[in-house]
Amino acid sequence: QVQLQQSGPRLVKPSQTLSLTCAISGDSVSSNSVAWSWIRQSPSRGLEWLARTYFVSTWSYEYAVSVRGRVTINPDTSKNQFTLQLNSVTPADTAVYYCVRAPHAWGGIVSFDIWGQGTTVTVSS
Amino acid sequence: QSALTQPPSASGSPGQSVTISCTGTSGDVGAHNYVSWFQQHPGKAPKLLIYEVTNRPSGVPDRFSGSKSGNTASLTVSGLQAEDEADYFCNSYTGSTVIFGGGTKLTVL
Repeated sequence: QVQLQQSGPRLVKPSQTLSLTCAISGDSVSSNSVAWSWIRQSPSRGLEWLARTYFVSTWSYEYAVSVRGRVTINPDTSKNQFTLQLNSVTPADTAVYYCVRAPHAWGGIVSFDIWGQGTTVTVSS
Repeated sequence: QSALTQPPSASGSPGQSVTISCTGTSGDVGAHNYVSWFQQHPGKAPKLLIYEVTNRPSGVPDRFSGSKSGNTASLTVSGLQAEDEADYFCNSYTGSTVIFGGGTKLTVL
């Protein structure tokens, strides 16, 4: 049974960096059959895909235009987890953040089958 | 990229069927079969109901079905049950990014 366990601070000050970790159990971050993403949800912006990484011979990284230049997704093979860093945050980045898995065999780009528990992050001084 | 268009609300009585639409463009929903549907109860993470327009993951009741015509995908919930009351979201791929619908709140009367 695959599970994703999120951790990270729930309060971040404006202009600072939001950092979240997603620990994987029951699967491998290096699996060549799935992709790993971060998605956020807020009342004002709805569900918003942020970033994706996957390993097929080499690591690939993709980012949403809305946060490109501020966001980094990184796999950590030694701890079987992946992380999200979002720089220069503003109150508009306040949201529930989810880590998710998508199997390549299921049209892996949008078929998010396993979700973390969600982390409510507030950007405020 | 613009979000996919969903009706904000839908409703039906127990046992009835309800269909929720998800309208995109020829560049996303109409371009391929990368359309998924999710169910979200309050305070919970979304749950995958349908992937690749029509496919159900193991464990999802066959009361949930998906279809697509042109640039519009649809989710049908048959034999409505009280526990189906939730928010429903669709998503698709534009060729460069993932986009979501604004969500439909389904009320079981």
